[in-house]
Amino acid sequence: GAVVSQHPSWVICKSGTSVKIECRSLDFQATTMFWYRQFPKQSLMLMATSNEGSKATYEQGVEKDKFLINHASLTLSTLTVTSAHPEDSSFYICSARSLTPERVLPTDTQYFGPGTRLTVL
Amino acid sequence: GQNIDQPTEMTATEGAIVQINCTYQTSGFNGLFWYQQHAGEAPTFLSYNVLDGLEEKGRFSSFLSRSKGYSYLLLKELQMKDSASYLCAVFDSNYQLIWGAGTKLIIKP
Repeated sequence: GAVVSQHPSWVICKSGTSVKIECRSLDFQATTMFWYRQFPKQSLMLMATSNEGSKATYEQGVEKDKFLINHASLTLSTLTVTSAHPEDSSFYICSARSLTPERVLPTDTQYFGPGTRLTVL
Repeated sequence: GQNIDQPTEMTATEGAIVQINCTYQTSGFNGLFWYQQHAGEAPTFLSYNVLDGLEEKGRFSSFLSRSKGYSYLLLKELQMKDSASYLCAVFDSNYQLIWGAGTKLIIKP
């Protein structure tokens, strides 16, 4: 199956610093990448959807100036948490999809990265 | 609004069978997914249903009734490693994945 990697796996930073998380599709081209956030004992919350070469679409309530998303190539998307604060501490997960929605097939569903655990002190 | 309901937590015994239910109300329907998520890890794909009926895959089966907005995930011959959260998710009319809150399954010896 398709493989998606994330880096770093975990990060601890001081309040006020910025943190960049990378998401890579290793063996396929991801036209669409998704960024999720998951707080303990809660479900995944979609933050934004990014298509290669265009601006990300953010979900309601997600600050686009705080969570900067760049999808510069078909295999790489980055999420930068700017001026991180303790309330931003969470599990951030990316996923990637290779086909347009009209052609989505069961086996071509979103493939998830392993996640990045962010702790802001 | 869009809504997916599943039980918060279930407990079952090793070797037994457990059924995790999911009901949904979404704007359009283009398929329902079940994912397994172990603590501290990302979800992994289990099954996809877009037509009514039962899909069997080894110890796991998934059922869908579109008219009832209902699905269940059936786990047989439970093993300790099946202890995890099970997430139900639906593709709406825009192929946006709508997620349930997940069901934490606890397996006891």
